[in-house]
Amino acid sequence: KQEVTQIPAALSVPEGENLVLNCSFTDSAIYNLQWFRQDPGKGLTSLLLIQSSQREQTSGRLNASLDKSSGRSTLYIAASQPGDSATYLCAVGYSGGSNYKLTFGKGTLLTVNP
Amino acid sequence: AAGVIQSPRHLIKEKRETATLKCYPIPRHDTVYWYQQGPGQDPQFLISFYEKMQSDKGSIPDRFSAQQFSDYHSELNMSSLELGDSALYFCASSLRQGGDTEAFFGQGTRLTVV
Repeated sequence: KQEVTQIPAALSVPEGENLVLNCSFTDSAIYNLQWFRQDPGKGLTSLLLIQSSQREQTSGRLNASLDKSSGRSTLYIAASQPGDSATYLCAVGYSGGSNYKLTFGKGTLLTVNP
Repeated sequence: AAGVIQSPRHLIKEKRETATLKCYPIPRHDTVYWYQQGPGQDPQFLISFYEKMQSDKGSIPDRFSAQQFSDYHSELNMSSLELGDSALYFCASSLRQGGDTEAFFGQGTRLTVV
């Protein structure tokens, strides 16, 4: 069974700081890994998708890396802004039998203080 | 580009009532997934369908049922609602194609049971 862990559970930083969110998974036989952003009570916004054959993906101030062999991914946010405050969820896509399954971590609650 | 459409966006029901949530996948996507996210929790997988057949089952209560129709839209039927069913329900869709599969999420339906 795939288990996904995110560290830290919560993070509070001053505006402008660079930060790293961590995600680990137990089964390295994955198809892909996806980072989502979720504002309170809102839907899931997909930030970055990394296929298993890739090492990293970048979008603006966001950079996600994947080390499949060690079961780890990091989301790097550069020059954080108060608008980045949200919960960040990591989700691992893998083969559950013959079906594609997506398992989420519990998220990191990020607060960026002005 | 067309996204996953869920309806309704918000729903308020009383205990013991029945609710039906609808999901319209991205055109040409053949797989639909349902997730439940309780307050402060990560999304939990409920059930998925591929080509109108149930393909996987997660932690879905027996009071819930779901199906995928010929036009690939899906409905989640919830009966004998309990207070604990109050949650955000997400639908996602994908095109089943092995390692390049990516799940796209709708904005969710917020169900409140009173």
